[in-house]
Formats: sequence, structure tokens, C-alpha cells
Amino acid sequence: GAVVSQHPSWVICKSGTSVKIECRSLDFQATTMFWYRQFPKQSLMLMATSNEGSKATYEQGVEKDKFLINHASLTLSTLTVTSAHPEDSSFYICSSDPGLATDTQYFGPGTRLTVL
Amino acid sequence: GENVEQHPSTLSVQEGDSAVIKCTYSDSASNYFPWYKQELGKRPQLIIDIRSNVGEKKDQRIAVTLNKTAKHFSLHITETQPEDSAVYFCAASVARNDMRFGAGTRLTVKP
Repeated sequence: GAVVSQHPSWVICKSGTSVKIECRSLDFQATTMFWYRQFPKQSLMLMATSNEGSKATYEQGVEKDKFLINHASLTLSTLTVTSAHPEDSSFYICSSDPGLATDTQYFGPGTRLTVL
Repeated sequence: GENVEQHPSTLSVQEGDSAVIKCTYSDSASNYFPWYKQELGKRPQLIIDIRSNVGEKKDQRIAVTLNKTAKHFSLHITETQPEDSAVYFCAASVARNDMRFGAGTRLTVKP
């Protein structure tokens, strides 16, 4: 149980285009999902907390107009990187807490975004 | 908010030796401490966790200890194997859906 999927696993796009990344909880309902960004050889940086049916909560320094988050259902959250630039190239990972006895978060496989 | 520090950033051990990674946290209200292992290009995976009402937990070759007074917790891997090579992250959770991660430790086990 507690499986999180992510799509696509990798994407290459041109500068100025927008890219949508999907995060799905496959065997549980996720009222909350988390979006992280990870640079090579660095830690997981929390970008935002996605809440089903309401606005996402963004961490300080993360531009909400740049990284649009939609959590329209209990199994799907999307992150859209708008007007992508090369500096947006990174590994994006989502996670969710299935609400079991522990507070454990389970991670998706990640999406590697390369902006040319 | 919670701040988690992790040391060392890199660790190299010989196969069969033990490895210890240490983390400190700032918020005394934190009550859940998971450890994740991330292999290159893959998702972080939970390997062990501990709650604040327990001082130590063991699962085969890995163990975690928690010192609430000092606000630090450690991951211990015994009889290391090359497949233990990965990046390990500690985390501390003050409440559900409020988890902060350490910077990670890159463990290399040399055969």
C-alpha cells in the first residue's frame, strides 16, 4: 500500500514553454500532497503543500505564479512550471502521507525536468 | 519552524564496517523521526522510523536511536554492504504533514 506515482519521469522542453507534472496516489486518498525540488547532490527542498479542494501553501521564496499547483481530486495533484527557464531544470518529487498510524510520507519516483 | 541538521555530508566506509549518521533538530515538539534512503535518480524510500516515546528501534542491520533531551537522533548501519551505498536523509515531524528534512549524507561502502 501507499503507492505514489508521478508522470512524466523525465521531460525536456524549450525555454518559455510550460510543463505539467502529475502526482497520483494509487491506493489511498491524499488530501495533502507535497512538492519537492532536488538539485544534484542536494537535499529535498519543500516547495509547496498541495491541499485537495483549496489553495496550495507555498514555502517562502517559491513563486506561486511560476509553479502552479492544482489538487482537484483526492488522488491527483499537478505541478505546472510556467514559462520554464534553464534554471528551473531540476528533479521534482511529490509525496503524500496516506494517513496511516505513522506520519510517514511516501514519495513518487520523481520527474527530471530539463529546460533547454 | 523546525530545523534539521545532518552530519556528515559524506561518509565512506569499508564493507563490513559500521556507519553512523547523526541529526539534530530544533523543535522540542517534534515527535516523529523517519530515515529515508535515496539511490541515484530514484525516489527516497523509508528505511526506518522512530517516535518520540521510544529511545531505540532496530530492524536487522539498521537501528535508530533518539535522545529527546539533547534533540538528536542517529542512524546506525552495521555490517555495511556495497548496496547500502546511497544518500540517506533524516527528517523530523512536528505534526502530521509538517516534516523537515536534513541535508543528506552520501554513504559509500567500498568493497
